[in-house]
Amino acid sequence: SQTIHQWPATLVQPVGSPLSLECTVEGTSNPNLYWYRQAAGRGLQLLFYSVGIGQISSEVPQNLSASRPQDRQFILSSKKLLLSDSGFYLCAWSSEAGELFFGEGSRLTVL
Amino acid sequence: GQSLEQPSEVTAVEGAIVQINCTYQTSGFYGLSWYQQHDGGAPTFLSYNALDGLEETGRFSSFLSRSDSYGYLLLQELQMKDSASYFCAVRSPGGGFKTIFGAGTRLFVKA
Repeated sequence: SQTIHQWPATLVQPVGSPLSLECTVEGTSNPNLYWYRQAAGRGLQLLFYSVGIGQISSEVPQNLSASRPQDRQFILSSKKLLLSDSGFYLCAWSSEAGELFFGEGSRLTVL
Repeated sequence: GQSLEQPSEVTAVEGAIVQINCTYQTSGFYGLSWYQQHDGGAPTFLSYNALDGLEETGRFSSFLSRSDSYGYLLLQELQMKDSASYFCAVRSPGGGFKTIFGAGTRLFVKA
């Protein structure tokens, strides 16, 4: 069966520091992968999606970037965090039917 | 652009029936999904409608009218554990089937 893991689960970072969130999927090959961000009490904002290694599409211009170095690995990064980057970050993969399966989420607080 | 509208909050009594509406405006449309999210957790898939009509899965049903750009989630025999946020989401063309989420409806179930 397919599983998705992301880490770290929680982190507190100072403004201006770098960020790296990792996500891996097991049990499926060539999955479509997504990064979403959710502000407190709000909906999910699509940040990036990837249909294959090295293929990244950005939905919202910001100081974040994404990379897909391996088929089942998706990384979200920032060189310098802003206060507005705080939120709940969710990695997901989609089945062929389009159903999204989410990781456990990474809660980022930027101080 | 793409936008989804759903009520921000709904309150209902245990055992009752509640309907959460969603209207959407998108450039391209494959189908309407519904997700449930409990506080602190990740969203989980509930249902998907690609064609007009009603889809039933246990206590939950989902309806879609493509001509009206409208859908709803119907929850029957409400239980306290149904208290959560519910998101409608549109799957639209774009590499890997982009899924865009509404802002969510917070459902409070009272005893």
